[in-house]
Amino acid sequence: DIQMTQSPSTLSASVGDRVTITCRASQSISSWLAWYQQKPGRAPKLLVYKASDLESGVPSRFSGSGSGTEFTLTINSLQPDDFATYYCQQYNVYSGTFGQGTKVEIK
Amino acid sequence: QVQLQESGPRLVKPSETLSLSCTVSGGSISGYFWSWIRQPPGKGLEWIGYIHSDGSTKYSPSLRSRVTISLDTSKNQVSLTLSSVTAADTALYYCARPNTSGWSGFGYWGQGALVTVSS
Repeated sequence: DIQMTQSPSTLSASVGDRVTITCRASQSISSWLAWYQQKPGRAPKLLVYKASDLESGVPSRFSGSGSGTEFTLTINSLQPDDFATYYCQQYNVYSGTFGQGTKVEIK
Repeated sequence: QVQLQESGPRLVKPSETLSLSCTVSGGSISGYFWSWIRQPPGKGLEWIGYIHSDGSTKYSPSLRSRVTISLDTSKNQVSLTLSSVTAADTALYYCARPNTSGWSGFGYWGQGALVTVSS
């Protein structure tokens, strides 16, 4: 079973900051990785798939990178709407493990 | 526009079976992977498993012995049953589907159904 580890668990940042969230897989998942944003009381929203492909309608300040076992989600110029919890998810070999989440909070 | 709506009992007694349905509107069940994901209050997301419209299934190893996901194509519904529940199964249960016909990130989600396990 593939395990996903996100870091940090919590991140304090200000509007305009550049923030980076890391996700590591316990074994290679090629580029089969998605990133989600979740706000309180809402279902997760898909931001990035296949490690670096931006979902339609997602602002270009979001970007994903990586392959194999190490991946990053970067938010350039953090906006007030971006304060939320972010999850990575691997979807290699027809399974779907999530990372434990990273909460981005206001500094 | 594809929409997913979870339904079912919101209170289940310990040791009993949790049963939820996900009704799909605005599109067909055919040709897609349909997953269930859960989120305990205040905690992270856990993938439970999927069913493809061809009937194939795959479950999380930690839940495999207790979970069944099935399809009712006549009703355009995907169902989840989880047996022998305990308080640890209290969670918001989501159904979800990738944007495309392949196995990919989930672009479509239901609003979720909060199920509480309590006597």
